[in-house]
Amino acid sequence: EPEVTQTPSHQVTQMGQEVILRCVPISNHLYFYWYRQILGQKVEFLVSFYNNEISEKSEIFDDQFSVERPDGSNFTLKIRSTKLEDSAMYFCASFYRPNTGELFFGEGSRLTVL
Amino acid sequence: GESVGLHLPTLSVQEGDNSIINCAYSNSASDYFIWYKQESGKGPQFIIDIRSNMDKRQGQRVTVLLNKTVKHLSLQIAATQPGDSAVYFCAGIRGGYNKLIFGAGTRLAVHP
Repeated sequence: EPEVTQTPSHQVTQMGQEVILRCVPISNHLYFYWYRQILGQKVEFLVSFYNNEISEKSEIFDDQFSVERPDGSNFTLKIRSTKLEDSAMYFCASFYRPNTGELFFGEGSRLTVL
Repeated sequence: GESVGLHLPTLSVQEGDNSIINCAYSNSASDYFIWYKQESGKGPQFIIDIRSNMDKRQGQRVTVLLNKTVKHLSLQIAATQPGDSAVYFCAGIRGGYNKLIFGAGTRLAVHP
């Protein structure tokens, strides 16, 4: 069964460092997302990406965040200068077409900022 | 603004019983409502969705009920099994780019 894969599964970084989280969405999917989940809290929308551009972003997704689909298969989330409060689980999701509810989520990348 | 919230943070049930997980929403503009299951250390997994013009939808062992009058959504799990133990999130979605707004989640604990 096709799946969304994410790397790394866990990254520990120092405050102020840049972090890149990588995702390989399901191959025929056209819509891509990043969500995050702070420990014990709900899943929060960060950004959606379609047709090689951001289609929507949340208030969380400030200038420190960026996304890219550099090669047609990978979908990356970059945090330029990490803060302690960026510590969370980051989930990538993909979707073939809208107007159904089924997004496919990866297993997540846990980011710990020290 | 949009919000989707859960009534109870934890639900404990006996194996074999039916479970009902509830959710309230505030934004009537959602086109779809969805239930996701999240097991420990994993990403959310789609369970079932329901269009906003429907009242009920059944899947395998699960039923989702939508009451638009009181803006309430529920997930019923029949014959709950230990493998159903997880956090369950409801989410609302509006067309376009499928941005999901998740509720806070209900932890379902199934006891033998």
